[in-house]
Amino acid sequence: GESVGLHLPTLSVQEGDNSIINCAYSNSASDYFIWYKQESGKGPQFIIDIRSNMDKRQGQRVTVLLNKTVKHLSLQIAATQPGDSAVYFCAETRNAGGTSYGKLTFGQGTILTVHP
Amino acid sequence: EAQVTQNPRYLITVTGKKLTVTCSQNMNHEYMSWYRQDPGLGLRQIYYSMNVEVTDKGDVPEGYKVSRKEKRNFPLILESPSPNQTSLYFCASMRGLGYGYTFGSGTRLTVV
Repeated sequence: GESVGLHLPTLSVQEGDNSIINCAYSNSASDYFIWYKQESGKGPQFIIDIRSNMDKRQGQRVTVLLNKTVKHLSLQIAATQPGDSAVYFCAETRNAGGTSYGKLTFGQGTILTVHP
Repeated sequence: EAQVTQNPRYLITVTGKKLTVTCSQNMNHEYMSWYRQDPGLGLRQIYYSMNVEVTDKGDVPEGYKVSRKEKRNFPLILESPSPNQTSLYFCASMRGLGYGYTFGSGTRLTVV
């Protein structure tokens, strides 16, 4: 598979545990945030998103929390499975001068490894 | 099947030889974008397009050109490739806010 990062933060968990992946974003003007999952050899895959007027959003087995005060985003994965092993990226964007949400800035990523 | 298709998947070229990486989406999406991914630097946006004939620079546009003559296609052009453009490139498209970008499978470009 493709190498997507040599010095990324890593998180190792046992199958069935809950995982929490953190992300600090840089721009206080960002108002829309997305989490992506990237498996080896593939492009990033959309997981869940959240707007800045929310502090929590839930999906299937995933929850995203947003703390605008400290510019922090987290992704919680419940009952983590081996198939969840991947690199996870947060991304931020903002409505800038009419070019709404086309410009997207990614965080560095976290490698999640789930052990059976 | 709804998808973003980019070609070629792998490309090795020489410095200065113009090349084009094609990208096509079959989802009638308004937004399209190109990213490059490098170890330690993550995903960085090169260019994006909000609609036909409307494009804007991302974070690393130098050395790249794009065009959006049709809604479905968004080719990435390297007029004079250099070794520092060796990277993994992704094309992506997005319907709009609340959906996120859908990414292609990537193009591994090596410039020697």
